[in-house]
Amino acid sequence: DVKVTQSSRYLVKRTGEKVFLECVQDMDHENMFWYRQDPGLGLRLIYFSYDVKMKEKGDIPEGYSVSREKKERFSLILESASTNQTSMYLCASSLGRGGQYFGPGTRLTVT
Amino acid sequence: GQQVMQIPQYQHVQEGEDFTTYCNSSTTLSNIQWYKQRPGGHPVFLIQLVKSGEVKKQKRLTFQFGEAKKNSSLHITATQTTDVGTYFCAGSASGTYKYIFGTGTRLKVLA
Repeated sequence: DVKVTQSSRYLVKRTGEKVFLECVQDMDHENMFWYRQDPGLGLRLIYFSYDVKMKEKGDIPEGYSVSREKKERFSLILESASTNQTSMYLCASSLGRGGQYFGPGTRLTVT
Repeated sequence: GQQVMQIPQYQHVQEGEDFTTYCNSSTTLSNIQWYKQRPGGHPVFLIQLVKSGEVKKQKRLTFQFGEAKKNSSLHITATQTTDVGTYFCAGSASGTYKYIFGTGTRLKVLA
């Protein structure tokens, strides 16, 4: 079974802090994704990566950056957290154009 | 940009009734995926459709991809309480690993 793990289930940060969200997958998938999920808006793609050190912007990359130094690990960075970044963050991985396997999510609250 | 609309937003059914959710894309898709998210859980990949007019079945679930590859549907026959959750479609245009998710249909099944 594919396993995607995320570093925290719940996180509370203050406005202006730098926030790191980590995602690790154990199935050697080349593609990894970061989404945020908000009520009524579904899942929106922030960034994705199709290979180590490769990344592409999704639909809402502003205020975020990513890092993929190793194939199994994809990090999402909030450079300076703001209250409008309070959300559920979901990481996913996939093999080729196959189905995406999601982690359990990190519920981030920025106060 | 590419948009994926999903209707209805909510559906309440009596146990045993059928349920259908529809997904419509503003552009032609290369493939479409369907996911289920249980309350409090993360999206779980159900199936992928690639060919025009394709129909796939998983027990009581029937998935269809439209002839023009711009729409798709998920039909559940004789719903059960275990079908409760939000169903998302996600479409990808040709030449990209980027998927646009629909806003989801939340299904409640009344026993």
